[in-house]
Amino acid sequence: EDQVTQSPEALRLQEGESSSLNCSYTVSGLRGLFWYRQDPGKGPEFLFTLYSAGEEKEKERLKATLTKKESFLHITAPKPEDSATYLCAVSPLRATDSWGKLQFGAGTQVVVTP
Amino acid sequence: DADVTQTPRNRITKTGKRIMLECSQTKGHDRMYWYRQDPGLGLRLIYYSFDVKDINKGEISDGYSVSRQAQAKFSLSLESAIPNQTALYFCAVGGEWDNQPQHFGDGTRLSIL
Repeated sequence: EDQVTQSPEALRLQEGESSSLNCSYTVSGLRGLFWYRQDPGKGPEFLFTLYSAGEEKEKERLKATLTKKESFLHITAPKPEDSATYLCAVSPLRATDSWGKLQFGAGTQVVVTP
Repeated sequence: DADVTQTPRNRITKTGKRIMLECSQTKGHDRMYWYRQDPGLGLRLIYYSFDVKDINKGEISDGYSVSRQAQAKFSLSLESAIPNQTALYFCAVGGEWDNQPQHFGDGTRLSIL
């Protein structure tokens, strides 16, 4: 059974204090791994897609990396506006499936204080 | 980015009532999805539609039904609501091709008393 586990569940950071979020996954073949950001009262907002081990993507203070079993979202020198819940999702590789069916983790709630 | 609109944004209703949540999109995506979000459980797929004539059950479809009225419209119904269906409901579109993630609406907060 496909599983996605995110840790920690919650993270409190001081402004400027870099940290990493973890997304570990168990799937029968990975088509792609997605990171989303979700603000209170809003839907998830797409950040990155990663396809293969060793791949990295960056956007402002965020950098996502991928290995064969997990992905990390590194937040460098965070600011209060980086406070959000970060969600990880995987798209399993199966003959009859496609990009459409995602398995989500429960998310990591990040709070950055000034 | 996709423009995904969900209505209503909030709804409070009673056990046993029939409820319909609506989703519309303006970007012409063939694929549309309904998810449910509960604290600590993440997003779970209820139903998905790969085109107007193709509707499929997700992992938690019991107690729900859907209708794809047009390419741009996908509605979710709770025929007889029960309290454990209280949750945040999200519609998403996209995911047809590589490098094309799903894009989400801002959700409906549904409370069933």
